[in-house]
Amino acid sequence: AQSVTQPDARVTVSEGASLQLRCKYSYSATPYLFWYVQYPRQGLQLLLKYYSGDPVVQGVNGFEAEFSKSNSSFHLRKASVHWSDSAVYFCAVSTGFASALTFGSGTKVIVLP
Amino acid sequence: EAAVTQSPRSKVAVTGGKVTLSCHQTNNHDYMYWYRQDTGHGLRLIHYSYVADSTEKGDIPDGYKASRPSQENFSLILELASLSQTAVYFCASSDKGHNAEQFFGPGTRLTVL
Repeated sequence: AQSVTQPDARVTVSEGASLQLRCKYSYSATPYLFWYVQYPRQGLQLLLKYYSGDPVVQGVNGFEAEFSKSNSSFHLRKASVHWSDSAVYFCAVSTGFASALTFGSGTKVIVLP
Repeated sequence: EAAVTQSPRSKVAVTGGKVTLSCHQTNNHDYMYWYRQDTGHGLRLIHYSYVADSTEKGDIPDGYKASRPSQENFSLILELASLSQTAVYFCASSDKGHNAEQFFGPGTRLTVL
């Protein structure tokens, strides 16, 4: 069965600094990979997704992610964070018939002024 | 704009009671999902549906039933609510395809006492 690991439960960064969130997946074939963001008291919103092609994929609000098949990873990056980026970020994989997602445990990002 | 709504937004239930959570989507999507989120954890799939009048078990279906009476509506039913079912429940919808984005509702916070 597939699984997703986000090793960092919480990350604190200063506004304007760069951000990297780690994600590793377990799946025998190439999976469909997603990053979602959850703002306080809201549902999840898609940041970006990847299946094939250029391993660096661009998303919304300046986020990008890089897929590595050799490392089974799909790390999320942002060059310069803003206070509004404070949220919980989830990495997810879709491998099943009905596109259901398997989520990692999430990384809470706190951006300090 | 795509929309997924959930009702109620919060609910307090008694142990052993019946709880019904409702979800409505105006996206014209075939696929709908129910996930639960426990504090500090990612989302886990309870039930899903890819066509009206049919539902499928997800990863953690025990203690839950689902109903899809129409393309737009998808309900989650707890026949005998238990303390362990205290969580936030999210409904989502998506188009066909493993690469399809899932659109999430705002969530229902359920507390079982």
